[in-house]
Amino acid sequence: SQTIHQWPATLVQPVGSPLSLECTVEGTSNPNLYWYRQAAGRGLQLLFYSVGIGQISSEVPQNLSASRPQDRQFILSSKKLLLSDSGFYLCAWRQSNQPQHFGDGTRLSIL
Amino acid sequence: QKEVEQDPGPLSVPEGAIVSLNCTYSNSAFQYFMWYRQYSRKGPELLMYTYSSGNKEDGRFTAQVDKSSKYISLFIRDSQPSDSATYLCAIRDSNYQLIWGAGTKLIIKP
Repeated sequence: SQTIHQWPATLVQPVGSPLSLECTVEGTSNPNLYWYRQAAGRGLQLLFYSVGIGQISSEVPQNLSASRPQDRQFILSSKKLLLSDSGFYLCAWRQSNQPQHFGDGTRLSIL
Repeated sequence: QKEVEQDPGPLSVPEGAIVSLNCTYSNSAFQYFMWYRQYSRKGPELLMYTYSSGNKEDGRFTAQVDKSSKYISLFIRDSQPSDSATYLCAIRDSNYQLIWGAGTKLIIKP
């Protein structure tokens, strides 16, 4: 069966510091991968998605970037975090026309 | 007007009650509809996935789509305290991207 891992679960970072969040999927090949941010009491905002290695689409202009160095690895990064980058970050995967499945997220707090 | 509207609640009901959760949407071309359940500090978990109009049942859960009214519902029978969570509706667009409701926080009181 397929599983998705995200880490860390919680992260506290100072303003201006770099960021690297990692997501890996097991049990499937060539999945579509997604990064979302969820603000408290709101739905999910799509940040990036990828249909293959090295292929990244950005949905909103922001202080963040994404990379897909391997088929089942998706990384969310920032060179300098802003206070507004605080939130709950979720990674998801999808195969063919099936629904998306999510990891357990990373709660990021910027101080 | 948002593409998907969902009342954020909270919705509080006694244990054993039937729960009705709803979303409305604006684009009549949408055809794939999903309900996710999200516990606090966890990622969303897929509950139900339906295509086009009609009902789909899975245990205590029933998903209903009314395309003529652009209205989708999730019913929970015999609600349990463990059903307390936020329920998010999501609709897939023609590019396979999901358009999300804000989520309804459900509280089942023992």
